[in-house]
Amino acid sequence: QLVESGGGLVKPGGSLRLSCAASGFTFSDFSMNWVRQAPGKGLEWVSSISSSSSHIYYADSVKGRFTISRDNAKNSLYLQMNSLRAEDAAVYYCARDMGGGYSDEYYYFYGMDVWGQGTTVTVSS
Amino acid sequence: IVMTQSPLSLPVTPGEPASISCRSSQSLLHSNGYNYLDWYLQRPGQSPQLLIFLGSNRPSGVPDRFSGSGSGTEFTLKISRVGAEDVGVYYCMQALRTPTFGGGTRVEIK
Repeated sequence: QLVESGGGLVKPGGSLRLSCAASGFTFSDFSMNWVRQAPGKGLEWVSSISSSSSHIYYADSVKGRFTISRDNAKNSLYLQMNSLRAEDAAVYYCARDMGGGYSDEYYYFYGMDVWGQGTTVTVSS
Repeated sequence: IVMTQSPLSLPVTPGEPASISCRSSQSLLHSNGYNYLDWYLQRPGQSPQLLIFLGSNRPSGVPDRFSGSGSGTEFTLKISRVGAEDVGVYYCMQALRTPTFGGGTRVEIK
């Protein structure tokens, strides 16, 4: 099970830190992801982090503003979001993937099989 | 990689089959022989759910009326007999490169 928290209302330019608490599986064995969904829109991948945090990837739309991290001792995943924009408003989901591999630039993976319920981020003045 | 789904909307009669197409702008076939293409269903008001991974594999717990096929740039999700519980938006997603989702196909009951 995955449970997100930390969403809320923030002004443009502000910051927010999302958390995702994992239970029921060995968190440290899995890579994790953040996926978001703007109101009335489709799904957008945001970021991935490997099980040991050695590999981290971001969508171009958030690179330099968002930071993904994890604490395996606390079974928790995080997303630090800075310099927030109106277009960052969305429901943010954390999701576990089933596995994959690494090339120079990419983490190729498959099967996000466990998802949280999502946490809503609203960016407005 | 751009993912294109069709149709955008799919009205179906309960008990009848349904099919959704997904095309990618580049091949999703890795040198390891796997296609990095997944299918997800997002029921109204719910989080997405994995239906098919690596093009044609069904996770445990997903009914066998769902099947995935295809390779390279052309993929298909088939539902052999649509039920009321299958209503929602279906997304294909590639994760061979920077992950991208298709625009979604909304399945509704006639």
